[in-house]
Amino acid sequence: EAGVAQSPRYKIIEKRQSVAFWCNPISGHATLYWYQQILGQGPKLLIQFQNNGVVDDSQLPKDRFSAERLKGVDSTLKIQPAKLEDSAVYLCASSFDASSYNEQFFGPGTRLTVL
Amino acid sequence: QKEVEQNSGPLSVPEGAIASLNCTYSDRGSQSFFWYRQYSGKSPELIMFIYSNGDKEDGRFTAQLNKASQYVSLLIRDSQPSDSATYLCAVNGGFSGTYKYIFGTGTRLKVLA
Repeated sequence: EAGVAQSPRYKIIEKRQSVAFWCNPISGHATLYWYQQILGQGPKLLIQFQNNGVVDDSQLPKDRFSAERLKGVDSTLKIQPAKLEDSAVYLCASSFDASSYNEQFFGPGTRLTVL
Repeated sequence: QKEVEQNSGPLSVPEGAIASLNCTYSDRGSQSFFWYRQYSGKSPELIMFIYSNGDKEDGRFTAQLNKASQYVSLLIRDSQPSDSATYLCAVNGGFSGTYKYIFGTGTRLKVLA
């Protein structure tokens, strides 16, 4: 079974530029999560999708971050414009559904450096 | 008060010893509890989950849950240098009704050979 795929793996941009990350969840997984993990901290949930609908985006900085999950499969996360404090690893995860008893599977992450 | 709290460590234990990692959570209605291991530069991977009060064992790992005290722990027996990593506690469910995972900051474990 293929795991969660993410691209790119690394990205370096200057502040005020824009960037986009892509995620392909495990086949059949209805729930998709985007996390931000700053060095030395635990993952922070940015947005959670159930199929192509948003379940929770309460911690997504909506003035600069946006995310979509077209057709309930792949997802993209965009930052525009980027700030220095956005430097982090962006993790995508998926689970079979949104039940609290389901394991999340994480992708390899995208390491973003904002200069 | 943080929703999920862990001591950041590092926790250093000699090879072969028992490592004890602790986690407390604030939402009394939380339903499920997960321990993830994260090696440096890698993504988290699930070690164990527990839903009911008491102990759950899986090989060298034992998860312990005490909902009355809002406390969950992970014991690693016969610790190996390969166990050196950051261990993340994650909590899901709660009175809010949203099935959202909340992670602690993680405890860094060092197993000394």
